[in-house]
Amino acid sequence: EVQLLESGGGLVQPGGSLRLSCAASGFTFSSHAMSWVRQAPGKGLEWVSAIDDSGAATYYADSVKGRFTISRDDSKNTLYLQMNTLRADDTAVYYCAKDSPLLTHWGQGTLVTVSS
Amino acid sequence: EIVMTQSPATLSVSPGERATLSCRASQSVSSNLAWYQQKPGQAPRLLIYGASTGATGIPARFSGSGSGTEFTLTISSLQSEDFAVYYCQQYNNWPPGTFGQGTKVEIK
Repeated sequence: EVQLLESGGGLVQPGGSLRLSCAASGFTFSSHAMSWVRQAPGKGLEWVSAIDDSGAATYYADSVKGRFTISRDDSKNTLYLQMNTLRADDTAVYYCAKDSPLLTHWGQGTLVTVSS
Repeated sequence: EIVMTQSPATLSVSPGERATLSCRASQSVSSNLAWYQQKPGQAPRLLIYGASTGATGIPARFSGSGSGTEFTLTISSLQSEDFAVYYCQQYNNWPPGTFGQGTKVEIK
């Protein structure tokens, strides 16, 4: 069974940084692209970033380009999202998802709140 | 960037009735269209991909159709567990994989 468990969310001040993690199990992590999608409170879904199975290619939404960095550690079956220069409009639940561009399985999400 | 527009925003349906949800793309996305279901407090889950192919484990009452710019998700006979928000997503011009704003299916 595919399981994706996000962690690392919390309250951070504007301009601060946070690193999200997504621990994967139940599939061959190194063979799959991975994605991050976010959902602001009471709003719809917004694709954030993706990384291919090799880790060589990364992709970002314009809204986070230059501030967020996606990476993966296949030895730990873990996906990361380093978020810098956070803004209030980055406040959202961040979901890790298996595969890209089709999002075949999703984690339960971790809440990031950017506020002073 | 392709804009995805879903209608209606809210659909009120009685259990056992058919529900028809629409999704329109601002330009052709071929058949590269997916539907996701999100129940309150839960993560989304993939329902349909390739516009009409059901994901693993999805009940047969869910069906998708369309190509190009016009797509439809049909739930043939609504069950209590189907009341949720449904999102379409295009992945033809990717990145980004743009989502529609969602359609909430509520109990009438």
